[in-house]
Amino acid sequence: NAGVMQNPRHLVRRRGQEARLRCSPMKGHSHVYWYRQLPEEGLKFMVYLQKENIIDESGMPKERFSAEFPKEGPSILRIQQVVRGDSAAYFCASSPRTSGALNEQFFGPGTRLTVL
Amino acid sequence: GENVEQHPSTLSVQEGDSAVIKCTYSDSASNYFPWYKQELGKRPQLIIDIRSNVGEKKDQRIAVTLNKTAKHFSLHITETQPEDSAVYFCAASMTQTGANNLFFGTGTRLTVIP
Repeated sequence: NAGVMQNPRHLVRRRGQEARLRCSPMKGHSHVYWYRQLPEEGLKFMVYLQKENIIDESGMPKERFSAEFPKEGPSILRIQQVVRGDSAAYFCASSPRTSGALNEQFFGPGTRLTVL
Repeated sequence: GENVEQHPSTLSVQEGDSAVIKCTYSDSASNYFPWYKQELGKRPQLIIDIRSNVGEKKDQRIAVTLNKTAKHFSLHITETQPEDSAVYFCAASMTQTGANNLFFGTGTRLTVIP
């Protein structure tokens, strides 16, 4: 039973380029969350998605950031025109569908984005 | 929105001693409180959680207590071992909104001294 998978694990981009981060939830999980962790800080919620739906994007910056979770394939967090302040670890988490366990979130290994 | 505060930010204990980490939350609607352990460069891992319908939960050397009236919850680790050294995060979530996203504390760096 594979856990949450993220790729790439490390991503280096120059200012102004685009970053695409991918997340495949655990088998049987249909809820995906993205969090950002700055160095030496806690995790900050960005967006919550179900298949083909954005449920809550209240933590997402209004510009340059977007997320999707298509019917087929992984969830993608896209950052356009990256700036140095975007350098962080981006974690994806997934949770199962059943209401009793809805809150239990299991995290992927993260993508460490470095913007030069 | 929910605001979770966590103390202390760093904690050093001798091997075999107990460690206690405390968190407070602001929104009385929060009803799920997990604790995550994160080792350097690794993913956060769920170690224990508690729901608002219970006051205490224990799993071997780890226990969590919840005081809904005071809006605070604590993690207790007994008989600490060097492998317990990591950063621990508390979090809160409210299922009623349907959003289920977690609001995290700022973390506690626990060091267990052999």
